[in-house]
This record gives sequence, C-alpha cells and structure tokens, in this order.
Amino acid sequence: DIQMTQSPSTLSASVGDRVTLTCRASQSIGSSLAWYQQKPGKAPNLLIYKASNLENGVPSRFSGSGSGTEFTLTISSLQPDDSATYYCQHFKSYPWTFGQGTKVEIK
Amino acid sequence: EVQLVESGGGLVQPGGSLRLSCSASGFTFSGYWMGWVRQAPGRGLEWVANIDPDGTEKNYVESVKGRVTISRDNAKNSLYLQMSSLRVEDTAIYYCARALWFGGWFDPWGQGTLVTVSS
Repeated sequence: DIQMTQSPSTLSASVGDRVTLTCRASQSIGSSLAWYQQKPGKAPNLLIYKASNLENGVPSRFSGSGSGTEFTLTISSLQPDDSATYYCQHFKSYPWTFGQGTKVEIK
Repeated sequence: EVQLVESGGGLVQPGGSLRLSCSASGFTFSGYWMGWVRQAPGRGLEWVANIDPDGTEKNYVESVKGRVTISRDNAKNSLYLQMSSLRVEDTAIYYCARALWFGGWFDPWGQGTLVTVSS
C-alpha cells in the first residue's frame, strides 16, 4: 500500500500569512493526489484534484503543486474561515489512502 | 444541487450486521463511480470501498474484505454498504461520496452516518 505522510501535524499562523502544508507519498503517484478541508463536525470538502487543479468554487488563495512523491497545499493569505484540518489522498492504485491530516489554527 | 444523504447507522453489538444507505439527487447517479469513506472518532479519514457506475467493479480496503459489500441500485439512485461480522474497530462515521475520474477523488460528500460497534 502507498502511505501518505503529512507535515506538520499542527500549524498555527496569523491572518494574512502564507501557509504551506506538505504531503509525501511512500512511492511515486504522479499527479494522482487530492486535497480536502474538514471543519469540526462536518464532512470533508474537496479543494484540489490531480495535484494542482482548483475545484470550482474554492477560493483562489488555495493552490496545490507537486508530482511524484512530494506535494504542497498553499494558502496564500490565511483567513479566519481557513481554520480546519486538511487531508491529502492518493488515487494511484488501490487501496486509496489518506494522510493523517494537518490541523491549521489561527493565532 | 448535488446531494447525498446517508442513513442506517446505529448501535450494533460486535459480530452483528448493519446496512447503510445513501440516497443521491441532483446528478445522473448511474453515470458516476461512488464510494464510502469512514472516520473513527477523533481520527483521520479511511477509504472503505468504491463501485463503478454499473456495479460490476468493486474495490475494498483490506480490513473490510469478506465482511463488507458495496452495491448500488441505479433505478433508485441509491448506494449501499452491507456490513457484517462487525468489530469494535469499525466504529466510525461513514460518509457516502461521489467519486470522480474513475473513482479517484471524492466530491461531494454526504453528512455521514455514525456506526457504533459496542457490547
């Protein structure tokens, strides 16, 4: 199975900061990666698919990059509404697996 | 508006069975892969199973193989997850989700249904 590792586990930043979350795959997955945002008590929400494609309706301050084994999700200017846990997920080969999540907190 | 509504969760004893349902609306259900993803209390996300549009291709995470069956009824716009021989570690919120690009990523997700396996 392909393992997905996210770092950091928790991130605390101020409104307006540029924030970068990292997701590493245990083997190459090409661009077969998605990013989700999950707020407490809510279902996950798709942000990015195929590593760098912004889902319709997602604010443009979110962007994704990377290929192979290393991927990043960047929030260009952190907003209070961005307080959430972020998960990456590969879809290169079954079983699909998720990273353990990065919790983003607002200072 | 695309909408997914799960039902069927509840409290079940270890070794018991449960059938989850997901009712879909707002899109052509028969044209999409569908999937189930679960989340144990306070934990991360775990993909459980996917099914192709006509129900012939099914994929499962190893931990549920032989105990769980994903199925669909395109005439009823419904997705199902039949779970048996339930274990305490199956306790989780189970989300139904539309799976895009041959079942790759998930959008949107339902609100989830809680399955609690406990004696």
